[in-house]
Formats: sequence, C-alpha cells, structure tokens
Amino acid sequence: AQRVTQPEKLLSVFKGAPVELKCNYSYSGSPELFWYVQYSRQRLQLLLRHISRESIKGFTADLNKGETSFHLKKPFAQEEDSAMYYCALRGGNYGQNFVFGPGTRLSVLP
Amino acid sequence: GAGVSQSPSNKVTEKGKDVELRCDPISGHTALYWYRQSLGQGLEFLIYFQGNSAPDKSGLPSDRFSAERTGGSVSTLTIQRTQQEDSAVYLCASSPVSSGGYTFGSGTRLTVV
Repeated sequence: AQRVTQPEKLLSVFKGAPVELKCNYSYSGSPELFWYVQYSRQRLQLLLRHISRESIKGFTADLNKGETSFHLKKPFAQEEDSAMYYCALRGGNYGQNFVFGPGTRLSVLP
Repeated sequence: GAGVSQSPSNKVTEKGKDVELRCDPISGHTALYWYRQSLGQGLEFLIYFQGNSAPDKSGLPSDRFSAERTGGSVSTLTIQRTQQEDSAVYLCASSPVSSGGYTFGSGTRLTVV
C-alpha cells in the first residue's frame, strides 16, 4: 500500500537558517514524489517533483530510494516560505491518485 | 479555463440537507480528483475520474457521498443528508494523464450546522 509520512506537524526556524522538511514513503514499485505548498489563503500548488530535479524558490528535494525519503531542503529560509507543505506520492502507473502526507506547517520567524 | 474552478467557494448548510459541489477542470485535462481537507488534517482522497473509465470511488467515506463527471469535463460531488463531520474544505484537482502534477482549485468550504 502507498503511504506518506511527515513526522513534524510544525517546524519553526529563524530567517536565514537552513530548513529541512522530512518526508518518508512506502511503496513497492517506482513512485513519483512531489512537494505541494499552500500559502495562507491560497490554493494548494505544486512546488516541485523529483523527476524534474529542479530547484524552486530555493527549495530542493532528492529522492533517496534506499531510505525511502524525499526530504525538502532550503539552505536559507525566508519569512515568505511560511506555509503548509505536503509531500505526495503517486504510483508508477499514470493516472493513479496521489497519496498525500499529513503536512508540515513551516513557520519562519523574523 | 485558465485554472480549476470550484463553486461555491463557501457553503453553509443545515444538518440533514443535501449539497452539491461543482468542479470545472482545466480544459483538456482527462484526470479529475476530489479530496477533502479537514481542519488540522491532511488531504483525504475521495474519488478519481480518468477519461471514460469507471471512477475510482475507493476514498468515498460513506454511501451518502457520490460524484459524477459529465462529458468528461465538469464534475459534481454530492453529499446527501449532511452531517457535522462532513464540514471540511473540498478540493478538486485535474491533470493531463501524461504529466505528473495536479492543478488544484481553490476549494469549497462546507460548514454543516
């Protein structure tokens, strides 16, 4: 069965500090992993996906199949990064629904 | 349209009444999903439509919930005999089958009083 865990409900860091939001998954095949972000009063939006190997707003995430993790990292947090972050997994067959983690609320303090 | 459109944006209803929530996906997106986001909870999958295939209803919490998608485009989520525990934000998302990510709508906040 597909499952996504995000162990931290709330993560608070100071502006300029590094931030890492943890995500672990369980899936028997080859998953697609994503991070979604929801800023206050805005809709949920895609932040990045592992297959793109991209950096968005300074965030990166590397898929570690050995540790079944897809942690989201940023070297220097900004106040505008404060939001709810969801890690999501989709199974290898296109069209399957996503499984979302419970989310981590990131609060960047001035 | 340019994005996924959901209506109404807010709905307050009395316990026991039926409600209909509407989702208008991005034109050309063959996949459409409904999720529920309850206060302090993550996103709970409800139902998934893909083209003309039979929908995946595995996430619907009870038989009071149903959804349809007409003409492969607009979808309606219906909740019959609403209960207070149905209060949540109902999110719709669509995606082209060949792409990885969803585009979400802004959601319908349902409050059952």
